[in-house]
Amino acid sequence: DQQVKQNSPSLSVQEGRISILNCDYTNSMFDYFLWYKKYPAEGPTFLISISSIKDKNEDGRFTVFLNKSAKHLSLHIVPSQPGDSAVYFCAASVVNNNAGNMLTFGGGTRLMVKP
Amino acid sequence: DGGITQSPKYLFRKEGQNVTLSCEQNLNHDAMYWYRQDPGQGLRLIYYSQIVNDFQKGDIAEGYSVSREKKESFPLTVTSAQKNPTAFYLCASRHSSYNSPLHFGNGTRLTVT
Repeated sequence: DQQVKQNSPSLSVQEGRISILNCDYTNSMFDYFLWYKKYPAEGPTFLISISSIKDKNEDGRFTVFLNKSAKHLSLHIVPSQPGDSAVYFCAASVVNNNAGNMLTFGGGTRLMVKP
Repeated sequence: DGGITQSPKYLFRKEGQNVTLSCEQNLNHDAMYWYRQDPGQGLRLIYYSQIVNDFQKGDIAEGYSVSREKKESFPLTVTSAQKNPTAFYLCASRHSSYNSPLHFGNGTRLTVT
């Protein structure tokens, strides 16, 4: 039973346009959410996060929106650049204030930004 | 430069052989993790360790073993009992402070034939 789902395995966007990556979760106990970006044959790198006490967090071209009632979050990239082409993973955790805050990952969405 | 080093990048083994994947970090992180990535399935947690000489099973620990004798090192052994060992293995670490993100190594691709 996947607690974190990314229903779109791939997304293609034109350079300069907005990319919207979606993520749904089922566990209402999740209270911290992260997005990671992964290039082929490399480890994921942390992109942006959001706590459940917020509904939006912005960092440069990247904005994450959280809709707790819908158990849905999304990552917006504006404007999209060819270098953004990668696999994006959504992850969620229940914060318990110790080092064992395990992340549950979605299956990933491959973003392709066309020049 | 601080970071997480996984070696080797590619590893080939015959079925029935145990194999150990290396993970070393110089970030002074307390917690370390092993994940497995399969196509379309995201990252699944194998084992994690919050402190030296202690570790816990993750979601898919069967057929794997770990040790944490030093803070910097968290090797993963894929045993012959693991039914589908061919995968991309990722090691990660994080600081113990509240909500610090995971830092990942560049992974080891293991192929068992």
